[in-house]
Amino acid sequence: KNEVEQSPQNLTAQEGEFITINCSYSVGISALHWLQQHPGGGIVSLFMLSSGKKKHGRLIATINIQEKHSSLHITASHPRDSAVYICAVPTGNQFYFGTGTSLTVIP
Amino acid sequence: EPEVTQTPSHQVTQMGQEVILRCVPISNHLYFYWYRQILGQKVEFLVSFYNNEISEKSEIFDDQFSVERPDGSNFTLKIRSTKLEDSAMYFCASSRTSGRVSDTQYFGPGTRLTVL
Repeated sequence: KNEVEQSPQNLTAQEGEFITINCSYSVGISALHWLQQHPGGGIVSLFMLSSGKKKHGRLIATINIQEKHSSLHITASHPRDSAVYICAVPTGNQFYFGTGTSLTVIP
Repeated sequence: EPEVTQTPSHQVTQMGQEVILRCVPISNHLYFYWYRQILGQKVEFLVSFYNNEISEKSEIFDDQFSVERPDGSNFTLKIRSTKLEDSAMYFCASSRTSGRVSDTQYFGPGTRLTVL
């Protein structure tokens, strides 16, 4: 049983395209994290959100707590956005991570 | 900009040996975490640590694992008797407040542990 599901697993886009990555979760949460894992393995926290929408540069994250769903959008995608994007939810005594969405942006 | 550091970047050890992975969290952070990622798999939570004690741990974090903050700056993960399946990338992270509430976690670059 996966507490966190992400889709798609893999995504290839042309530079400039608008990208959406989805995350659904089955556990009750107070907040959700979006992380970026670079090809070298390093992890960067992009957003932590508990309601509504957050925007940082070309990245937008939304969450619907009632529907247990979050989306990460990338506008005007660029090859440097190529990475694995991971959704993670802390709940109870656990942090549950999605399997990640591997994004490749082609010039 | 302050960052979380981890040493070593790569550790190779024989099965059954003890290893200590070291992390220096960001200096004004209060919560510390260890995660692992087996090659090709998702990140898994191991443990969180606050006020010199474990605040949460996963079922992975069994008796062979321990954490401590020996000197107020370092945060260590010890694996007492390594097994082949402990081979993974281990990430340390820190945050000012609990990740369950309202704060961002800052991740270190990871230590790749290889158990032979």
